[in-house]
Amino acid sequence: GAVVSQHPSWVICKSGTSVKIECRSLDFQATTMFWYRQFPKQSLMLMATSNEGSKATYEQGVEKDKFLINHASLTLSTLTVTSAHPEDSSFYICSAPGTSGTYEQYFGPGTRLTVT
Amino acid sequence: RKEVEQDPGPFNVPEGATVAFNCTYSNSASQSFFWYRQDCRKEPKLLMSVYSSGNEDGRFTAQLNRASQYISLLIRDSKLSDSATYLCVVPRMDSSYKLIFGSGTRLLVRP
Repeated sequence: GAVVSQHPSWVICKSGTSVKIECRSLDFQATTMFWYRQFPKQSLMLMATSNEGSKATYEQGVEKDKFLINHASLTLSTLTVTSAHPEDSSFYICSAPGTSGTYEQYFGPGTRLTVT
Repeated sequence: RKEVEQDPGPFNVPEGATVAFNCTYSNSASQSFFWYRQDCRKEPKLLMSVYSSGNEDGRFTAQLNRASQYISLLIRDSKLSDSATYLCVVPRMDSSYKLIFGSGTRLLVRP
């Protein structure tokens, strides 16, 4: 099956710094990728949709200037958490859609971010 | 009302038991439903899709009740390895192929 990787798998950073998370489709091309955030004991919440060659679309309530998304190629999308605060500590997961016309999504293994 | 609601649990059952979870959804027009399994600190993995009245895959059975707007997941002969969080998922109704995740029901299977 299709494989999506994320890097890093976990990261600890200090308040005020920026952190970049990479999401790669390893054996297929993805013109679209989804970025989710999951707080402990809560559901995955879609943050934004990354689109290759165009601007990302953000869900309501998600600050686009804080969560910068770049979809530089057909296999790579990056999420940069800028000026991180402790409340940004969460599990960030990306996914890429599967077969066109279906709801199938291939999920990356996630990145656990801790902001101290 | 939330778009997808689940009992958070945890459901604590002995090995071999049968356990069932329910999930209610708010949009009566929803046509597709999914159950995902998520282990601690891991990504969710698709367990089962439900497009009509139900679906069965080995020990797992999903049933859909459109009148009451809920789907259920039944696990028979529980194994220790079934311990996980089970997420109920429905697609958005905006033709975007985006998914709405429930907050999950935690299952603990004890020896």
